[in-house]
Amino acid sequence: AQSVSQHNHHVILSEAASLELGCNYSYGGTVNLFWYVQYPGQHLQLLLKYFSGDPLVKGIKGFEAEFIKSKFSFNLRKPSVQWSDTAEYFCAVNAPRSGAGSYQLTFGKGTKLSVIP
Amino acid sequence: NAGVTQTPKFRVLKTGQSMTLLCAQDMNHEYMYWYRQDPGMGLRLIHYSVGEGTTAKGEVPDGYNVSRLKKQNFLLGLESAAPSQTSVYFCASRGSAVNNYGYTFGSGTRLTVV
Repeated sequence: AQSVSQHNHHVILSEAASLELGCNYSYGGTVNLFWYVQYPGQHLQLLLKYFSGDPLVKGIKGFEAEFIKSKFSFNLRKPSVQWSDTAEYFCAVNAPRSGAGSYQLTFGKGTKLSVIP
Repeated sequence: NAGVTQTPKFRVLKTGQSMTLLCAQDMNHEYMYWYRQDPGMGLRLIHYSVGEGTTAKGEVPDGYNVSRLKKQNFLLGLESAAPSQTSVYFCASRGSAVNNYGYTFGSGTRLTVV
């Protein structure tokens, strides 16, 4: 079965610092990749997604991610974070579930980002 | 507004009680999913459905049952609630088009079992 690893459990940054959150997945076939954000007390919101084409994907709120197939990675970046970016970030992979033909979304365990003013 | 609606938004159950969570989508999506979210665990798939009348087990199905009698609705049932089922539950749906794997999530149901 596919799995998703997010390397950092909790990241603390000062405002204006640059951000990079790591994400690696295990499935070797064609995948769709997503980053979601969850602000405190709220539900998931889609930040960006990769289906095909340009491996550098731009999303909302100044976020971007780069798909590197050879490294099975889809890292999230932002050049300058703001206090309002404080949230939990989830990487997710859409791939066939082992033993079934249906594509399913598998999430990483999440990375909490705290931005200090 | 088109989307995924979950009811209820909050619920407190006593151990051993039963309840049903409802997920409704108005986008004519074939696929529907139930996830639970626990601190430090991300979202884990409980059950899913690939179409009306079908259901299948996900990663953590024990203690839950589901039904998809109508295409637009996906019900999650807890027959005998346990404190370990205290969690936030999210429903999601997506269409079946090859180039459209966008998922739409509901706003979640916060369940506490005491």
